[in-house]
Amino acid sequence: DAGVIQSPRHEVTEMGQEVTLRCKPISGHNSLFWYRQTMMRGLELLIYFNNNVPIDDSGMPEDRFSAKMPNASFSTLKIQPSEPRDSAVYFCASRVGTGNSPLHFGNGTRLTVT
Amino acid sequence: GESVGLHLPTLSVQEGDNSIINCAYSNSASDYFIWYKQESGKGPQFIIDIRSNMDKRQGQRVTVLLNKTVKHLSLQIAATQPGDSAVYFCAENMGLTGGGNKLTFGTGTQLKVEL
Repeated sequence: DAGVIQSPRHEVTEMGQEVTLRCKPISGHNSLFWYRQTMMRGLELLIYFNNNVPIDDSGMPEDRFSAKMPNASFSTLKIQPSEPRDSAVYFCASRVGTGNSPLHFGNGTRLTVT
Repeated sequence: GESVGLHLPTLSVQEGDNSIINCAYSNSASDYFIWYKQESGKGPQFIIDIRSNMDKRQGQRVTVLLNKTVKHLSLQIAATQPGDSAVYFCAENMGLTGGGNKLTFGTGTQLKVEL
């Protein structure tokens, strides 16, 4: 089992540029989550998909953020335009079902916006 | 001005001692709880979980205790080893208005194991 795979591991970009983060969930998992981790706010849920459908995007900071899940094995989180305050580690996680089962996390993408 | 980050509580223990990490959760309706371990540069790693109809669950060297009366969760690590040094998060599973569930994480505790 390869686990949740995220790319890139590190991204450095200039303010105003578009950033796309990618995630491949564990095969067979039908729920996918995007979290953001910062020193200021800890781990925050951004958006949650179930069976490729967004269920809750109330954590998405603003319209500059968007997420898609075109199929069961791939999701993207896009920031356009990026700002320095978006600098954080972004984690993708997946799990089986919608209830009492643990999330399995990828190793994250560390984003730095200068 | 200088930004102020979260101040993680730190627990320092001697190698071989038992560790107890505590967590207060917020929602009395939460029905499932998980402990995660996060090492530097890695994503949170699942350790152990417990459902709300239980008050204790044991794993390998770890035990989770749940006290629903006071909304308190604890993680006990027996015979703590240097490899246990990490940040530990508790998470509670809460229902969403539109259906489904989401995990909400606590701020974490830094465990330092001293040789």
